Amino acid sequence: DGGITQSPKYLFRKEGQNVTLSCEQNLNHDAMYWYRQDPGQGLRLIYYSQIVNDFQKGDIAEGYSVSREKKESFPLTVTSAQKNPTAFYLCASSIFRDYNEQFFGPGTRLTVL
Amino acid sequence: QQPVQSPQAVILREGEDAVINCSSSKALYSVHWYRQKHGEAPVFLMILLKGGEQKGHEKISASFNEKKQQSSLYLTASQLSYSGTYFCGTAPPDSWGKLQFGAGTQVVVTP
Repeated sequence: DGGITQSPKYLFRKEGQNVTLSCEQNLNHDAMYWYRQDPGQGLRLIYYSQIVNDFQKGDIAEGYSVSREKKESFPLTVTSAQKNPTAFYLCASSIFRDYNEQFFGPGTRLTVL
Repeated sequence: QQPVQSPQAVILREGEDAVINCSSSKALYSVHWYRQKHGEAPVFLMILLKGGEQKGHEKISASFNEKKQQSSLYLTASQLSYSGTYFCGTAPPDSWGKLQFGAGTQVVVTP
């Protein structure tokens, strides 16, 4: 079955630690995205990548970093510079075109203690 | 800039209708609609492209008024399964898939 996987589903970290969230897709999509969702709010774009070895900052990139070494993978690192990292993180992918639907993974809920 | 959705929340009885609106201050090329159940990933409903088209998905349909930069989602004869939070995602021309999402409209359908 094709789809997007994110792991782990729940993640707990101590303040000051970096943490990497995994996102893998086997849909052969060129574009991948990372969103952050806070309670009662919409999705805010952190980073996106339209092609391997290239990515761009979204609206709230500060305190986050990404890499895109393989088409299938787009890991997100939440660094200690992110002031308020506790949130629900969603990864998505789409065909690289200007109007294609985005397919979302199940999300990772990160709690920083 | 984030599109504005209204209303923020709506409570319906099974079988009733509702309209959710999405407005943007920017010229739009496309509007995407998603539904999210609590704690789950958003699920794609439909895309509307500029040209004022209207689309439907079972008893959920939507319209897109390019001139007004607005889209509306119509829930007709609502079912319990329609409960969730509905988000619109908007894309200006040349955005290449990069969406701005509204804050969402919470829909609760009761028996």
